[in-house]
Amino acid sequence: GAVVSQHPSWVICKSGTSVKIECRSLDFQATTMFWYRQFPKQSLMLMATSNEGSKATYEQGVEKDKFLINHASLTLSTLTVTSAHPEDSSFYICSARGQKAEQFFGPGTRLTVL
Amino acid sequence: DQQVKQNSPSLSVQEGRISILNCDYTNSMFDYFLWYKKYPAEGPTFLISISSIKDKNEDGRFTVFLNKSAKHLSLHIVPSQPGDSAVYFCAASFRGKLIFGQGTELSVKP
Repeated sequence: GAVVSQHPSWVICKSGTSVKIECRSLDFQATTMFWYRQFPKQSLMLMATSNEGSKATYEQGVEKDKFLINHASLTLSTLTVTSAHPEDSSFYICSARGQKAEQFFGPGTRLTVL
Repeated sequence: DQQVKQNSPSLSVQEGRISILNCDYTNSMFDYFLWYKKYPAEGPTFLISISSIKDKNEDGRFTVFLNKSAKHLSLHIVPSQPGDSAVYFCAASFRGKLIFGQGTELSVKP
């Protein structure tokens, strides 16, 4: 159990375009999902907390207008990187929280902005 | 300010021996600690967790020890297997959020 999927697994886009990444909890309902970003050889950095039916809570330094998060159902959260630039290139990972403190992670999405 | 630290970026262990991965933290308000295993270009995989009210949790080959007075936790893997080779992250939970350490790359040699 506790399977989380992400789509797409990788995406290449031109600078200035927007990219949407989907995160789904496949076998459980997740009232809370999280979005992380990881740079090479670095730790996972929490970007925002996504609660079903309400606005996301962003960490300090994360632009909410640039990284739009929608959590419309108990099994789906989306992250849209708007007007992407090369510095937004990164590995984006979502997670869904289980009954305790455990978070179960998706496989990640590699974004490359040309 | 790094609240969760893994001071060893890498660790090499012989197959069959014990692997000990260490993690230190600064915030005494953390209520849960977790260990994740990660391969490149993949999401982390949950391994084991421990509540802040306990000092030990065991699951198969994996045991996590928590020393609250020292603000230190460790993950023991015994016996180590080549398939255990990966990056291991410790994470601490506070108000539902996870704060990750920098990771330790474990290499288990046959």
